[in-house]
This record gives sequence, C-alpha cells and structure tokens, in this order.
Amino acid sequence: GAVVSQHPSWVICKSGTSVKIECRSLDFQATTMFWYRQFPKQSLMLMATSNEGSKATYEQGVEKDKFLINHASLTLSTLTVTSAHPEDSSFYICSAMDSITGELFFGEGSRLTVL
Amino acid sequence: GENVEQHPSTLSVQEGDSAVIKCTYSDSASNYFPWYKQELGKGPQLIIDIRSNVGEKKDQRIAVTLNKTAKHFSLHITETQPEDSAVYFCAASMGSNYQLIWGAGTKLIIKP
Repeated sequence: GAVVSQHPSWVICKSGTSVKIECRSLDFQATTMFWYRQFPKQSLMLMATSNEGSKATYEQGVEKDKFLINHASLTLSTLTVTSAHPEDSSFYICSAMDSITGELFFGEGSRLTVL
Repeated sequence: GENVEQHPSTLSVQEGDSAVIKCTYSDSASNYFPWYKQELGKGPQLIIDIRSNVGEKKDQRIAVTLNKTAKHFSLHITETQPEDSAVYFCAASMGSNYQLIWGAGTKLIIKP
C-alpha cells in the first residue's frame, strides 16, 4: 500500500535552534500535503496545508514565520521549526493526498523535544 | 464551521466483547467520514471510512454506520482483541480537498 515516510521520527534539540522535518510520499505523487501537531492525549490539530509549488496555507493562530513549510516537489514537503523553544515540543504528523486517487495517507509522526 | 464531537473519551471493554464509538457532526454538507486508529507514538492509520451515499460499511470485525438525518456516525468493533487497544479518531470532511475536522479521540482499552 501507499506509504508516507517522515524523518526524523524523533529529534531532541536545544532551545533557539531550528529543526527540519521531512515528509515523503514513497510510491505516489502528492500535490497536497498537510501538517498536524498533536499534544499528549489530544486530537490532531491542523497547522497548515501545503501545495506543491505554492505557498502553504496556515491555520489561524499558526505562525508562518516560525513553522516554515516547503513543498518543492510532488513527493516531498518539509516543515522547519525555527528558533525552537520548549513549548514547541510536540508530535508533528504529516499526511499526503494521492494526486490521482485523492486518498489520504499519514506519516508515522516526528516527536520533537526542545530542551 | 464544522464541529465533530466524539464519545466516549475512554472506553474499556472485555476481550471478546463489542466496542462502539460515536461521533456527531454539525455541518450537513460533510460527505466523507473516516475512522483512524492511532497507536502510541505512531501516526494515525485509516481503518475504515464511509461516504454520505452509504448507510453502513463493514470490513471483517469493523463496521461504520452513518445516520445523515441525525448527523452522527459510529464505529463498531466486534470480538475485540488486545491489539485493538489504541486511540481511535473520527473525522469529517466537506470537500474533495480532504481537510479533515477531527474528533477528540477515544482511548479504547481491551481488558484480558
């Protein structure tokens, strides 16, 4: 079946540094990818919608300058958490929509811990 | 906008018994209702979905029912097994862009 790969699966960084998370669709093309944030014992919160070749659409309350999203190809979207702080520690999940079938597939998530 | 409510937040059932999780949605324009299973530390996995032109869908031990009039849909798991223990999320979508509105999740515990 279709697979979405997220990397890294976990990362620990110091406060003030930037962290990049990759989301790849391995066997399908994804014009649209989504980035979510999930706090412990809570539901997924949509952060932004990423469209290949154009600027991402951010949800209300999500800082676009802090959470940089790049979707330069049909199989790769990246989320960069800039100048990370402890409150940015969370589980970040991406999903990718198959451009042909419209099916949505989720990555395994990336756990970010900011010290 | 759309709002999805999910109940219960925690459900504990004896192994072998059935489990039912319910969700309601507010916008009658929603036409796609997936259910996801999320194991600890992993991303959500689609387990079953239903579209508004269908009232019920079944896949082995898992079934989903949809009542468009009442605007609610339910996940049914029969003959529960320990590996069914996870957090289950319902979601609703109004359009082909698949921007999902998520329920709060249900932690399902299967007691041996």
